[in-house]
Amino acid sequence: DQQVKQNSPSLSVQEGRISILNCDYTNSMFDYFLWYKKYPAEGPTFLISISSIKDKNEDGRFTVFLNKSAKHLSLHIVPSQPGDSAVYFCAASNINAGGTSYGKLTFGQGTILTVHP
Amino acid sequence: DAGVTQSPTHLIKTRGQQVTLRCSPKSGHDTVSWYQQALGQGPQFIFQYYEEEERQRGNFPDRFSGHQFPNYSSELNVNALLLGDSALYLCASSPATSTYNEQFFGPGTRLTVL
Repeated sequence: DQQVKQNSPSLSVQEGRISILNCDYTNSMFDYFLWYKKYPAEGPTFLISISSIKDKNEDGRFTVFLNKSAKHLSLHIVPSQPGDSAVYFCAASNINAGGTSYGKLTFGQGTILTVHP
Repeated sequence: DAGVTQSPTHLIKTRGQQVTLRCSPKSGHDTVSWYQQALGQGPQFIFQYYEEEERQRGNFPDRFSGHQFPNYSSELNVNALLLGDSALYLCASSPATSTYNEQFFGPGTRLTVL
């Protein structure tokens, strides 16, 4: 049972345009969501996150939007740069009731983003 | 400040053998999680260690076991290897005092089972 899904295996975008990566989840217990970027031969690198009490979080060129009613989140990259070409993973977790870091991350299958010069 | 380190980088084993993978967490982190990433898939949670104990476990058989040492480093052991165990094994660390579950990943160990 895939609780986190990234239905687009790949996305191709022109440099300078917006990249929109999508993610859907089924488990209503998830309350914290993260995006990771992965280059070949490297481990995933944390990009940006959002708590379920928010619907938007912005960090420079990266913005994550959360629609809880639709169980959907998206990552917007504006403007896209060739160096953004990588695999992007959406991940979800349950935050420990005590508020400390705990528990597993559940990942989607990833979306390969290619930004053309 | 060294990030999460893993060894070895690559490993080739045959079916039925046993393997041990090693991980050193990021400085200041005391919680270590292990993930398996099959080709074309996202990482799958194996288990998490905190205070030298397994705190949470994913849907993996008992052939997968682990250990955490007093210096917070960790090992992943896999017994009776199967062809399907071929994957990238990722270690991630996080501080137990962190409010959010942002885990920092190592580069992984690529295991090939022949």
